[in-house]
Amino acid sequence: EPEVTQTPSHQVTQMGQEVILRCVPISNHLYFYWYRQILGQKVEFLVSFYNNEISEKSEIFDDQFSVERPDGSNFTLKIRSTKLEDSAMYFCASSEGGVSQETQYFGPGTRLLVL
Amino acid sequence: GNSVTQMEGPVTLSEEAFLTINCTYTATGYPSLFWYVQYPGEGLQLLLKATKADDKGSNKGFEATYRKETTSFHLEKGSVQVSDSAVYFCALILSGYALNFGKGTSLLVTP
Repeated sequence: EPEVTQTPSHQVTQMGQEVILRCVPISNHLYFYWYRQILGQKVEFLVSFYNNEISEKSEIFDDQFSVERPDGSNFTLKIRSTKLEDSAMYFCASSEGGVSQETQYFGPGTRLLVL
Repeated sequence: GNSVTQMEGPVTLSEEAFLTINCTYTATGYPSLFWYVQYPGEGLQLLLKATKADDKGSNKGFEATYRKETTSFHLEKGSVQVSDSAVYFCALILSGYALNFGKGTSLLVTP
């Protein structure tokens, strides 16, 4: 069964450093998402992406964050200058279509620790 | 705003016990409702969903009914197994693309 993959599974970085989290969505999916979960808190929506553009973003997704689909398979989340509060599990997801009933398929997550 | 409230965990049950995990929502319209499950070391997987009032979602012996009058979408299973041990997330989408999740409920089933 096709699945969403994410690399790395864990990343440790120093405050102020840039990090890039990578995702390979399911191959025929057109909509891509990033979510995060700070330890002990809810899974929170960050951004959705379709047709090489951001289609929706939350207030968390400020100028420190950016997303890109650099080629036909990868979808990346970049944090330009990490802060301690960026420590979280980051989940990538994808869906075939973009309507609200469409199932989003999630990857296993990247655990980011900012020191 | 829109939000989801789940019962606090962890929930510990013996194998073959009946499971209920409560989920209520607040929304300005009529959302689609979802239950996702996260097994240890894995990503979130869709367990079931319902897109309109009175719809019942079901999968792998789990069921949940969309109750507009009580704004609820409680998850139930008649007889849990050790393999059901996981974290369960209730979520909604009202419009657009953003899933709005509850905090998750950890379930541990003991033999």
